[in-house]
Parts: sequence; structure tokens; C-alpha cells
Amino acid sequence: QLLESGGDLVQPGGSLRLSCAASGFAFSTYAMSWVRQTPGKRPEWVSAISSNGRSTYYADSVRGRFTISRDNSKNTLYLQLNSLRAEDTAVYSCAKVPTTDVLWFDPWGQGTLVTVSS
Amino acid sequence: DIQLTQSPSTLSASVGDRVTITCRASQTIYRWLAWYQQKPGKAPKVLISDASSLESGVPSRFSGSGSGTEFTLTISSLQADDFATYYCQQYSTDSSFGGGTKVE
Repeated sequence: QLLESGGDLVQPGGSLRLSCAASGFAFSTYAMSWVRQTPGKRPEWVSAISSNGRSTYYADSVRGRFTISRDNSKNTLYLQLNSLRAEDTAVYSCAKVPTTDVLWFDPWGQGTLVTVSS
Repeated sequence: DIQLTQSPSTLSASVGDRVTITCRASQTIYRWLAWYQQKPGKAPKVLISDASSLESGVPSRFSGSGSGTEFTLTISSLQADDFATYYCQQYSTDSSFGGGTKVE
């Protein structure tokens, strides 16, 4: 129901755009979020966006570098990653959330791998 | 930032055992807590939200309790399919996860 793409190997300081294609539910009526996880480590919430795209929220670790957006006509969620650092290396998953004030994640996509390395 | 501490980090158990995992928050999170199960190579799956609300399709052997700063996830009778890593997650202020408990 959630299929991410766009992950790649990128140099420090580089940029990347991730996409998440949604199906099987009324995408335009749900808030959405990005979560990342390094293998063997705990997940980390990255960003969230309201159903209409007008409200966005970011973790301190990515604020000012990452931008979340959505296109409800295409049932697609995006994450623009700029000024990438080695510590941004992770599997990035999109997830549906009840609202942007209630950030528990269900379901999650399988994720797309972002590797930041020279 | 709200920190979540899970214990134990690893738990050895057998099929049929009653298993309890604890999650402690660095400040009150009221009942804004979820529990997830994650198997190797898979995305986490939510089991419980709002500290004790069992999500649709989750077996009734899973239960959650607690409020404020201390929470527990209980598996009443461990099944073979339950060997996995479990995470707690708070959503009182933004969101953060505990360090995980591997049930082996």
C-alpha cells in the first residue's frame, strides 16, 4: 500500500528526493510521515505533513535541510533531502498517521535506502 | 526531548511463557504510547496505541498498560511467531522510540 523509491548512494553535502506511492486508501484524507531506521538501531521520526499539505513538521535533526510535500492528485508523498550528512544514512520509510498531532505509524512502507558516503 | 528506556534489552523465553517488557519515559507522556513488533528485514507493525488499545487484527495475547512515565507490554502466552524485536514509541511531544527489546 506504500511503496518508497528514490534512495541512492550520495556524497556528503548532496541532495536526493524520495517518493512514496500510496494505494488502497483515501490518501488525501490522511496525514503522512517519514521515519528512518539504521539496521540494528531504533527508528527515528523525521517529518510529518497534514492531509492537505498546509502544515509540516520536522525533527530537530533534519529541520532546515529536509522538506516534506505531497501531491494528492498523484497519491504521492515526497521528501527532499539536502545538505546530506553521513548520519543521514538509513532506510527511509513512509507511514500513515492518524493526525499530525498523533504520530503513531500504521502502516509503514518497506523503505528505500539512502547511503551518504564519499 | 523525551527519552524512552526499555528493559530488558534482550529477553530469552520459551513458547507458552508470559513475557513482560517495560518502557519508561523521561517525563510524563500521559497515555500517548504505542508498541511495535519488528521482524528482521521487515518494517515495524503497530500492536497497541494509546497505551492499551489493541490494533485491529492483533492477537488478544498482546496487551498494554500504564500511564504517565511507566508502561508495559505483556504477551500472555508466547507463540513461535512472536520472536521479534519490540519497540515502544511516544507521541506526546513529536515522536521518539525506545531502544528495543529482542525476544529470543
